[in-house]
Amino acid sequence: GAGVSQSPSNKVTEKGKDVELRCDPISGHTALYWYRQRLGQGLEFLIYFQGNSAPDKSGLPSDRFSAERTGESVSTLTIQRTQQEDSAVYLCASSRGTSGRFEQFFGPGTRLTVL
Amino acid sequence: AQTVTQSQPEMSVQEAETVTLSCTYDTSESDYYLFWYKQPPSRQMILVIRQEAYKQQNATENRFSVNFQKAAKSFSLKISDSQLGDAAMYFCACFESGTYKYIFGTGTRLKVLA
Repeated sequence: GAGVSQSPSNKVTEKGKDVELRCDPISGHTALYWYRQRLGQGLEFLIYFQGNSAPDKSGLPSDRFSAERTGESVSTLTIQRTQQEDSAVYLCASSRGTSGRFEQFFGPGTRLTVL
Repeated sequence: AQTVTQSQPEMSVQEAETVTLSCTYDTSESDYYLFWYKQPPSRQMILVIRQEAYKQQNATENRFSVNFQKAAKSFSLKISDSQLGDAAMYFCACFESGTYKYIFGTGTRLKVLA
């Protein structure tokens, strides 16, 4: 595709349910990043992938959060047993590599609301 | 710990005037990159400008330029000839090459007055 896409664009769920957020990066981009943006806040770095490997998972807020990536393609961020504090916009970005000299291209985000 | 601080929650500028957004950062690494991103109400994050820490020359992109003061760990963004379309949230960010992590500031909301 022409850009990074994310689905769904909006998700409303009940507390305690599991949710899966999807990110489709730009074709050929080996690096993929997930961020969380709470209302009125900056971006909180969650995890990055180089290919399908995530070398550092320390940015994930709790063990309820997990992420996977299939090859150098789609990635899913899963939140189990959602809590109200998980409500936020989840942004995905991809780039040609993990060096800062490569521009990150962001998707439009998924707005998650936990009731 | 790596931190990025934007001390101006909101700024206003008259159309066609110049405005400067402030950013300070803290890193112990020698290899890092600095960025300014724009986030309009559509939520789409857009890269405005990038600065490699090893380059002394300040980056410039059309009406956007930075004042990179490495010793002071300061990285401000100057927008010249402000346009209504510049109205957005602006985020300063730092990428450390050793950790591969991006750290973002809390943002500055820029309003452009007609």
